[in-house]
Parts: sequence; structure tokens; C-alpha cells
Amino acid sequence: AQSVTQPDIHITVSEGASLELRCNYSYGATPYLFWYVQSPGQGLQLLLKYFSGDTLVQGIKGFEAEFKRSQSSFNLRKPSVHWSDAAEYFCAVGARVNDMRFGAGTRLTVKP
Amino acid sequence: EAGVTQFPSHSVIEKGQTVTLRCDPISGHDNLYWYRRVMGKEIKFLLHFVKESKQDESGMPNNRFLAERTGGTYSTLKVQPAELEDSGVYFCASSVRGWEQFFGPGTRLTVL
Repeated sequence: AQSVTQPDIHITVSEGASLELRCNYSYGATPYLFWYVQSPGQGLQLLLKYFSGDTLVQGIKGFEAEFKRSQSSFNLRKPSVHWSDAAEYFCAVGARVNDMRFGAGTRLTVKP
Repeated sequence: EAGVTQFPSHSVIEKGQTVTLRCDPISGHDNLYWYRRVMGKEIKFLLHFVKESKQDESGMPNNRFLAERTGGTYSTLKVQPAELEDSGVYFCASSVRGWEQFFGPGTRLTVL
């Protein structure tokens, strides 16, 4: 069965610390992979996506993600977190746009 | 350029009542999608319009849900009659091409 797992429901990091949000998926083939962020009162915003090629993908706001086929993972990273990064983050996978599967989300809290 | 807008932002209704959610996509976006997130769970696809035509409505939970897109512009999602399990956040997204979806802030529906 196709599924997306974000193991961490809630993560707290200090401002300036590094961040890694985990995403694992189960899919019949290598799907397209996405990370979205939702800030309070806002819609989901696309941070980055992986279709093919270089497995290290750069996104907006200083985020990057690495696709590891052997681990079926697509973890999101940022070297230094800012207070404005506090939000909820969603991993999504899909081979067709109408077959996108989202994870349950990881809420990030940033401590001053 | 205005983003995707959704109205209302919140709706609280009683079981058995009818609610209509509205989505205004970004101008010129032929593709319009509805998603739903039940409390704490993953975001799930409901349906996809291309202009005024339903391209895929495989995610619609049951026949209490009716989506329309008048003239290929705004879309409405009606729930009639609403049940307790319909509570959640309903997101709308639009795109020119499928994968680059722009999301609205969502409508939080509470059915009492």
C-alpha cells in the first residue's frame, strides 16, 4: 500500500540550530517527492520537489532535501533555523498529481 | 497577484445541516483541487477540476459531498447533510500545470 510516514509529530529546536525532518514512503515505483510548509493562517507553500537527477535538492528559504532510494526516504534539512521557520511541514509523494499522498505533518517549534 | 482564497475560514454547524465552502483559484489556473485534512491526520485528495469539468473525483468520501466549478472559475464544495466525521480542514489548490500547486489557507469545518 502507498503511504507516507513522518515519524515526528512535533519537534522543538533552538534558533540557530540545525534541523532535520524525516519522511519515509512506501510506493510501487520511485514517485515524485515534495515538501510543503504551512505557516499559521497560510496555505501550504511548496519548499522543494524531486523529480529526477541530483538526489540533493535545494529549495526556498534555505531548505534542502536528500532522496535516498535505498532507504525510501526524503528528509528535509536546514543548517540554521530561524524563528520564522516555526510552522507545520508536510512531505508528499506521488506518481500522478491526483495520486499525491501526504504525510500527517511535523509541527516545528523554534525556541529563542 | 492574489493567491488562492477560501471562504469561510471557519464554519461551525450542527450535524444534519448543510455547508458550502468556496474556493477562488489564481486567475488563469485551469486546474483546481480539493483536499481534506481530518484532525491530526494526513491531507487527502478529494477531487480535481480541469476548467469546469471534473477530471477525477475518486477521493470524494460519499454522495453527501458535491463539488461544482461554475464557468471554470471559482469552485464550491457542498456537504449535505453534514456528519460529525466531516469535521476537518478543507484545502483548495490551483495550478497551471499539475505538479506546481498553490494552496489556499483552508476552511476549518466543525460539525457538532
